[in-house]
Amino acid sequence: ETAVFQTPNYHVTQVGNEVSFNCKQTLGHDTMYWYKQDSKKLLKIMFSYNNKQLIVNETVPRRFSPQSSDKAHLNLRIKSVEPEDSAVYLCALRSSGNTLYFGEGSRLIVV
Amino acid sequence: QQQVRQSPQSLTVWEGETAILNCSYEDSTFNYFPWYQQFPGEGPALLISISSVSDKKEDGRFTIFFNKREKKLSLHITDSQPGDSATYFCAADTNAYKVIFGKGTHLHVLP
Repeated sequence: ETAVFQTPNYHVTQVGNEVSFNCKQTLGHDTMYWYKQDSKKLLKIMFSYNNKQLIVNETVPRRFSPQSSDKAHLNLRIKSVEPEDSAVYLCALRSSGNTLYFGEGSRLIVV
Repeated sequence: QQQVRQSPQSLTVWEGETAILNCSYEDSTFNYFPWYQQFPGEGPALLISISSVSDKKEDGRFTIFFNKREKKLSLHITDSQPGDSATYFCAADTNAYKVIFGKGTHLHVLP
């Protein structure tokens, strides 16, 4: 059962452009995350949102910002992309049983 | 600071053998340890998990062994199948909205 939907799946852009990734969850749970997965598969937490309130804001560059319009959506905006931002960005939802449900990811390539 | 360590980085076994994936952690406040399985092009998905009050958790061919005193755990995959080829992440959770992942073990099961 798919509970977390991410768009777009793939995006190529140039250095300095702005990019947004969308995430929608359908289970109604309160806590959502954004993770960055690099080329070596390393998963690094970027943001945690609990019912629209930022809980954990890791030391990510200021050009990254989470945006939430309601409980079901948590988007990720990158104001001015840099080459090191090339990665897969994974949105996740935390269930009441502490399970994380991940989306399929949004792959960003910065040229 | 890496708080969750996994070894080996890559593991190759023959079909039918038992694969053993290792994990260790540093922070004593971690009390829940999920293992996630990730196939190429997909997000990680929960495979099996254990809480710190247990020393063993079994689910079919997958078993977690947990040593709280040494802060170590391992995932055993018996009768490995080619379909088990994936990246396996050990994670640590404190129920405080922050889930820390290890770097993953890439498992290859040869037919």
